Amino acid sequence: GDSVTQMEGPVTLSEEAFLTINCTYTATGYPSLFWYVQYPGEGLQLLLKATKADDKGSNKGFEATYRKETTSFHLEKGSVQVSDSAVYFCALSDPDSNYQLIWGAGTKLIIKP
Amino acid sequence: NAGVTQTPKFQVLKTGQSMTLQCAQDMNHNSMYWYRQDPGMGLRLIYYSASEGTTDKGEVPNGYNVSRLNKREFSLRLESAAPSQTSVYFCATTGGSGSHSPLHFGNGTRLTVT
Repeated sequence: GDSVTQMEGPVTLSEEAFLTINCTYTATGYPSLFWYVQYPGEGLQLLLKATKADDKGSNKGFEATYRKETTSFHLEKGSVQVSDSAVYFCALSDPDSNYQLIWGAGTKLIIKP
Repeated sequence: NAGVTQTPKFQVLKTGQSMTLQCAQDMNHNSMYWYRQDPGMGLRLIYYSASEGTTDKGEVPNGYNVSRLNKREFSLRLESAAPSQTSVYFCATTGGSGSHSPLHFGNGTRLTVT
C-alpha cells in the first residue's frame, strides 16, 4: 500500500540556518503531495502542495519539489526563524486509494535564537 | 470566522466510561473526518463522512462510533473508553473532491483514559 516516510526528529537548528526535512513516498497511482504544519496547541494547517511531477509548492519561504524519479518531496527553507518551530507532516493523496490522505509520522523542528 | 470547532479541548475518563467528542464547521464543507494523533505515528483516520448522511470506516475504527448529524456537525463517540484510546483527536473538513483539496483542522481534543 501507499506510504510516506519522513526523517525522524527532533531537528534542532539555529536561527537563519538552512532547513531540509526529507520526505519520500510509495504510491500505486499518481498522488498529490502535501506538507502540513502543526504549531504548539493547534491543529494542522496546509503549508504547501504539489499535484504533479516537477511541480514546486511554496509558501512562507518554504519550498518543496515533487520528484517522481526519486519519489521524494523534501521541504526546504533558506533561513529559518524561531517562529518556524513546529511539527511538519508530509502527506500524499492517491486517486487509486480513493484520495484518502496517507501521513508521515511528523518531524519536530526546534529553532534556537 | 470559526472554521472547525471541537469540544471539549481536554477530557479525562476512567476506563469503561463513555463520552462524545463534538465537531462543528461553518465552512459549508461536504466531507468531514476524525483522526487520532499519537507520538511517532502521525495521524490515523478513524472514520470519515464524505457527505451528509454517509459515514465510512477509516484505518482504526474499533472502539468508536460516529454520527453525521447534519452538514455542519460530525460527532465521535467512545462507548467504553480504554487506556489505548488516550490520544489527541482531530476533526477535519474539506470542501472539494479529488486529490487537491486541503484539509482544514480543528484545534483538537486531548483525551486521557486512566
